Amino acid sequence: GAVVSQHPSRVICKSGTSVKIECRSLDFQATTMFWYRQFPKQSLMLMATSNEGSKATYEQGVEKDKFLINHASLTLSTLTVTSAHPEDSSFYICSASKGSDGYTFGSGTRLTVV
Amino acid sequence: AQSVTQLDSQVPVFEEAPVELRCNYSSSVSVYLFWYVQYPNQGLQLLLKYLSGSTLVKGINGFEAEFNKSQTSFHLRKPSVHISDTAEYFCAVSAGGNEKLTFGTGTRLTIIP
Repeated sequence: GAVVSQHPSRVICKSGTSVKIECRSLDFQATTMFWYRQFPKQSLMLMATSNEGSKATYEQGVEKDKFLINHASLTLSTLTVTSAHPEDSSFYICSASKGSDGYTFGSGTRLTVV
Repeated sequence: AQSVTQLDSQVPVFEEAPVELRCNYSSSVSVYLFWYVQYPNQGLQLLLKYLSGSTLVKGINGFEAEFNKSQTSFHLRKPSVHISDTAEYFCAVSAGGNEKLTFGTGTRLTIIP
């Protein structure tokens, strides 16, 4: 149990376009989901915490207008990178919380902006 | 706030030798502790977690970790490593079930044949 599906796994987009990444909890309800960004050979940096039915809480330094997060249901959260630029190229990973059972991570999305 | 320190950025180990990956944390509240493994271009897989109870925690793939409150450590160990253990390992801490995870900088474990 506790499977999180993240799509797409890879995406290449043109500079100035927007990209949506989906994160779904397949076999449990996730009241809280987290979005991370990972640069090559570095650790995961939390971008925002997403709670179902409310606005996401962004970490300091993360542009909320660039990285739009929506958590419309207990099983789906989306991250939209708006007006993407090459510096937004990165590996994005979501995770879902099962309360005291811990966290389950998606398989990540490699975004390349050209 | 919590923080996690993984002092070793890279650890090379010969195949079938034992390994210990170090993790220290700081927190003003009780914490949950986790070890995750990441293979290239993949998400994170949970190796083991400490929530409460026994301080020796056994996880998947033969890994175990011991929570030491006095030393604020949660070191990961495996008695005999395999080539397939080559990966990045992250220690993480949270203050509770739905609280955010704070990650260490990771340790790259390389197994030498």
